[in-house]
Amino acid sequence: KNQVEQSPQSLIILEGKNCTLQCNYTVSPFSNLRWYKQDTGRGPVSLTIMTFSENTKSNGRYTATLDADTKQSSLHITASQLSDSASYICVVLPGGYNKLIFGAGTRLAVHP
Amino acid sequence: DGGITQSPKYLFRKEGQNVTLSCEQNLNHDAMYWYRQDPGQGLRLIYYSQIVNDFQKGDIAEGYSVSREKKESFPLTVTSAQKNPTAFYLCASSSVTNTEAFFGQGTRLTVV
Repeated sequence: KNQVEQSPQSLIILEGKNCTLQCNYTVSPFSNLRWYKQDTGRGPVSLTIMTFSENTKSNGRYTATLDADTKQSSLHITASQLSDSASYICVVLPGGYNKLIFGAGTRLAVHP
Repeated sequence: DGGITQSPKYLFRKEGQNVTLSCEQNLNHDAMYWYRQDPGQGLRLIYYSQIVNDFQKGDIAEGYSVSREKKESFPLTVTSAQKNPTAFYLCASSSVTNTEAFFGQGTRLTVV
Protein backbone atom coordinates (compact mmCIF):
# COMPACT_ATOMS: atom_id res chain seq x y z
CA LYS A 1 0.00 0.00 0.00
CA ASN A 2 1.31 3.45 -0.89
CA GLN A 3 2.01 5.36 2.32
CA VAL A 4 3.85 8.42 3.57
CA GLU A 5 4.82 8.69 7.23
CA GLN A 6 6.12 11.84 8.87
CA SER A 7 7.89 12.37 12.15
CA PRO A 8 7.74 13.90 14.61
CA GLN A 9 4.03 14.62 14.77
CA SER A 10 4.75 17.92 16.49
CA LEU A 11 7.82 19.89 17.45
CA ILE A 12 8.57 22.96 19.56
CA ILE A 13 11.83 24.85 19.10
CA LEU A 14 13.23 28.20 20.13
CA GLU A 15 13.64 31.00 17.63
CA GLY A 16 17.02 30.87 15.93
CA LYS A 17 17.48 27.13 16.37
CA ASN A 18 17.65 24.57 13.57
CA CYS A 19 15.36 21.58 13.15
CA THR A 20 14.89 18.58 10.88
CA LEU A 21 11.62 16.97 9.88
CA GLN A 22 11.45 13.42 8.52
CA CYS A 23 9.40 11.76 5.80
CA ASN A 24 9.48 8.04 4.97
CA TYR A 25 7.51 6.71 2.04
CA THR A 26 6.52 3.45 0.44
CA VAL A 27 5.22 4.67 -2.90
CA SER A 28 5.79 2.97 -6.19
CA PRO A 29 6.33 3.98 -8.88
CA PHE A 30 7.91 7.21 -7.67
CA SER A 31 7.79 10.46 -9.63
CA ASN A 32 8.69 13.20 -7.21
CA LEU A 33 8.41 14.36 -3.62
CA ARG A 34 7.27 17.75 -2.36
CA TRP A 35 7.39 19.52 0.93
CA TYR A 36 4.58 21.96 1.63
CA LYS A 37 4.16 24.56 4.34
CA GLN A 38 0.64 25.11 5.62
CA ASP A 39 -0.15 28.10 7.79
CA THR A 40 -3.20 27.74 10.00
CA GLY A 41 -6.39 28.16 7.99
CA ARG A 42 -4.58 28.45 4.66
CA GLY A 43 -3.85 26.17 1.75
CA PRO A 44 -0.46 24.39 1.60
CA VAL A 45 2.27 26.17 -0.33
CA SER A 46 5.08 24.29 -2.05
CA LEU A 47 8.57 24.66 -0.57
CA THR A 48 10.61 22.18 -2.59
CA ILE A 49 10.20 19.60 -5.33
CA MET A 50 12.58 16.67 -5.65
CA THR A 51 12.77 14.08 -8.39
CA PHE A 52 14.32 10.64 -8.20
CA SER A 53 17.76 11.84 -9.26
CA GLU A 54 18.02 14.78 -6.86
CA ASN A 55 19.63 14.45 -3.43
CA THR A 56 19.41 17.97 -2.06
CA LYS A 57 17.47 21.08 -2.85
CA SER A 58 17.39 24.39 -1.02
CA ASN A 59 14.88 27.20 -0.83
CA GLY A 60 16.27 29.93 1.39
CA ARG A 61 16.48 28.57 4.93
CA TYR A 62 14.75 25.34 3.89
CA THR A 63 16.84 22.42 2.65
CA ALA A 64 15.27 19.15 1.57
CA THR A 65 17.14 15.90 1.08
CA LEU A 66 16.05 12.73 -0.65
CA ASP A 67 17.46 9.23 -0.43
CA ALA A 68 15.61 7.26 -3.09
CA ASP A 69 17.27 4.00 -2.04
CA THR A 70 15.98 4.11 1.52
CA LYS A 71 12.87 6.06 0.52
CA GLN A 72 13.49 8.79 3.05
CA SER A 73 13.36 12.55 2.84
CA SER A 74 14.09 15.28 5.34
CA LEU A 75 13.38 18.98 5.56
CA HIS A 76 15.96 21.01 7.46
CA ILE A 77 15.06 24.49 8.66
CA THR A 78 17.97 26.74 9.52
CA ALA A 79 17.87 29.68 11.95
CA SER A 80 14.15 29.30 12.60
CA GLN A 81 11.86 32.30 12.73
CA LEU A 82 8.51 32.80 14.40
CA SER A 83 6.92 32.77 10.94
CA ASP A 84 8.10 29.20 10.45
CA SER A 85 5.38 28.08 12.85
CA ALA A 86 3.14 25.98 10.62
CA SER A 87 2.39 22.44 9.53
CA TYR A 88 4.85 20.87 7.12
CA ILE A 89 3.44 18.24 4.83
CA CYS A 90 5.35 15.70 2.77
CA VAL A 91 3.60 14.68 -0.44
CA VAL A 92 4.76 11.94 -2.79
CA LEU A 93 3.61 12.10 -6.36
CA PRO A 94 3.54 8.62 -7.87
CA GLY A 95 4.56 8.00 -11.41
CA GLY A 96 1.94 7.35 -13.99
CA TYR A 97 -1.70 8.10 -13.57
CA ASN A 98 -1.96 7.81 -9.77
CA LYS A 99 -3.23 10.04 -7.03
CA LEU A 100 -1.10 12.12 -4.67
CA ILE A 101 -0.05 10.47 -1.41
CA PHE A 102 0.03 12.71 1.65
CA GLY A 103 1.77 12.46 4.97
CA ALA A 104 -0.12 13.57 8.07
CA GLY A 105 2.24 16.50 8.57
CA THR A 106 4.50 17.80 11.33
CA ARG A 107 3.24 20.73 13.36
CA LEU A 108 6.13 23.07 14.14
CA ALA A 109 5.90 25.77 16.78
CA VAL A 110 8.72 28.30 17.04
CA HIS A 111 8.80 30.12 20.36
CA PRO A 112 10.63 33.38 21.11
CA ASP B 1 -0.28 28.91 -4.98
CA GLY B 2 -0.81 28.58 -8.72
CA GLY B 3 -4.10 29.26 -10.47
CA ILE B 4 -6.55 27.32 -8.35
CA THR B 5 -9.42 29.14 -6.68
CA GLN B 6 -11.80 27.98 -4.00
CA SER B 7 -14.92 29.82 -3.02
CA PRO B 8 -16.28 30.90 -0.71
CA LYS B 9 -13.56 31.22 1.93
CA TYR B 10 -16.10 30.87 4.75
CA LEU B 11 -19.47 29.13 4.57
CA PHE B 12 -22.18 28.71 7.16
CA ARG B 13 -25.09 26.33 6.75
CA LYS B 14 -27.88 24.94 8.84
CA GLU B 15 -27.82 21.29 9.76
CA GLY B 16 -29.61 19.13 7.21
CA GLN B 17 -28.92 21.37 4.25
CA ASN B 18 -26.78 20.41 1.30
CA VAL B 19 -23.99 22.82 0.40
CA THR B 20 -21.68 23.03 -2.62
CA LEU B 21 -18.07 24.19 -2.47
CA SER B 22 -16.49 25.54 -5.62
CA CYS B 23 -13.04 24.72 -6.99
CA GLU B 24 -11.78 26.16 -10.28
CA GLN B 25 -8.33 25.90 -11.88
CA ASN B 26 -6.84 27.53 -14.95
CA LEU B 27 -3.67 25.43 -14.99
CA ASN B 28 -4.89 22.91 -17.56
CA HIS B 29 -4.40 20.19 -14.96
CA ASP B 30 -6.11 16.88 -15.55
CA ALA B 31 -6.29 15.72 -11.95
CA MET B 32 -8.24 17.44 -9.18
CA TYR B 33 -8.72 16.50 -5.55
CA TRP B 34 -10.81 17.33 -2.51
CA TYR B 35 -9.42 16.98 1.00
CA ARG B 36 -10.88 17.51 4.43
CA GLN B 37 -8.84 18.78 7.35
CA ASP B 38 -10.02 18.79 10.96
CA PRO B 39 -8.29 20.87 13.65
CA GLY B 40 -4.82 19.58 14.40
CA GLN B 41 -5.21 16.74 11.89
CA GLY B 42 -3.69 15.87 8.55
CA LEU B 43 -5.41 15.96 5.18
CA ARG B 44 -7.85 13.20 4.30
CA LEU B 45 -8.86 12.49 0.73
CA ILE B 46 -12.57 12.75 -0.06
CA TYR B 47 -12.72 12.39 -3.85
CA TYR B 48 -10.39 12.77 -6.78
CA SER B 49 -10.76 12.99 -10.51
CA GLN B 50 -8.10 12.27 -13.11
CA ILE B 51 -10.14 13.03 -16.18
CA VAL B 52 -13.35 14.82 -17.14
CA ASN B 53 -16.55 12.87 -16.40
CA ASP B 54 -14.70 10.43 -14.16
CA PHE B 55 -13.96 10.49 -10.43
CA GLN B 56 -12.99 8.11 -7.67
CA LYS B 57 -13.84 7.87 -3.99
CA GLY B 58 -11.12 8.65 -1.52
CA ASP B 59 -10.83 7.52 2.07
CA ILE B 60 -13.81 9.43 3.47
CA ALA B 61 -16.30 9.80 0.60
CA GLU B 62 -19.46 9.00 2.57
CA GLY B 63 -21.80 11.99 2.73
CA TYR B 64 -20.09 13.82 -0.13
CA SER B 65 -20.64 13.99 -3.87
CA VAL B 66 -18.70 15.53 -6.75
CA SER B 67 -18.96 16.15 -10.46
CA ARG B 68 -16.37 16.79 -13.16
CA GLU B 69 -18.23 18.11 -16.17
CA LYS B 70 -15.42 20.47 -17.14
CA LYS B 71 -11.66 20.13 -16.84
CA GLU B 72 -11.46 23.43 -14.97
CA SER B 73 -14.08 22.72 -12.33
CA PHE B 74 -14.53 20.13 -9.58
CA PRO B 75 -17.34 21.14 -7.19
CA LEU B 76 -17.90 19.29 -3.94
CA THR B 77 -21.35 18.88 -2.42
CA VAL B 78 -21.58 18.20 1.28
CA THR B 79 -24.87 16.41 1.75
CA SER B 80 -27.09 16.08 4.78
CA ALA B 81 -25.83 12.50 5.08
CA GLN B 82 -22.43 13.76 6.23
CA LYS B 83 -22.66 13.43 10.01
CA ASN B 84 -19.96 15.90 10.97
CA PRO B 85 -19.45 18.33 8.07
CA THR B 86 -17.84 21.22 9.95
CA ALA B 87 -14.23 21.28 8.73
CA PHE B 88 -11.66 22.96 6.52
CA TYR B 89 -11.90 21.80 2.89
CA LEU B 90 -8.99 21.98 0.47
CA CYS B 91 -8.99 21.49 -3.28
CA ALA B 92 -5.86 20.61 -5.24
CA SER B 93 -4.94 19.97 -8.84
CA SER B 94 -2.01 18.28 -10.50
CA SER B 95 -0.69 17.74 -13.99
CA VAL B 96 -1.18 14.32 -15.55
CA THR B 97 2.49 13.54 -15.12
CA ASN B 98 2.33 14.67 -11.46
CA THR B 99 5.19 17.07 -12.03
CA GLU B 100 3.33 19.88 -10.31
CA ALA B 101 0.55 20.13 -7.77
CA PHE B 102 -1.15 23.19 -6.34
CA PHE B 103 -3.67 23.83 -3.59
CA GLY B 104 -6.45 26.31 -3.24
CA GLN B 105 -6.73 28.51 -0.16
CA GLY B 106 -9.45 26.41 1.37
CA THR B 107 -13.08 26.79 2.44
CA ARG B 108 -14.01 26.69 6.08
CA LEU B 109 -17.47 25.18 6.42
CA THR B 110 -19.41 25.58 9.64
CA VAL B 111 -22.71 23.79 10.11
CA VAL B 112 -24.91 25.06 12.90
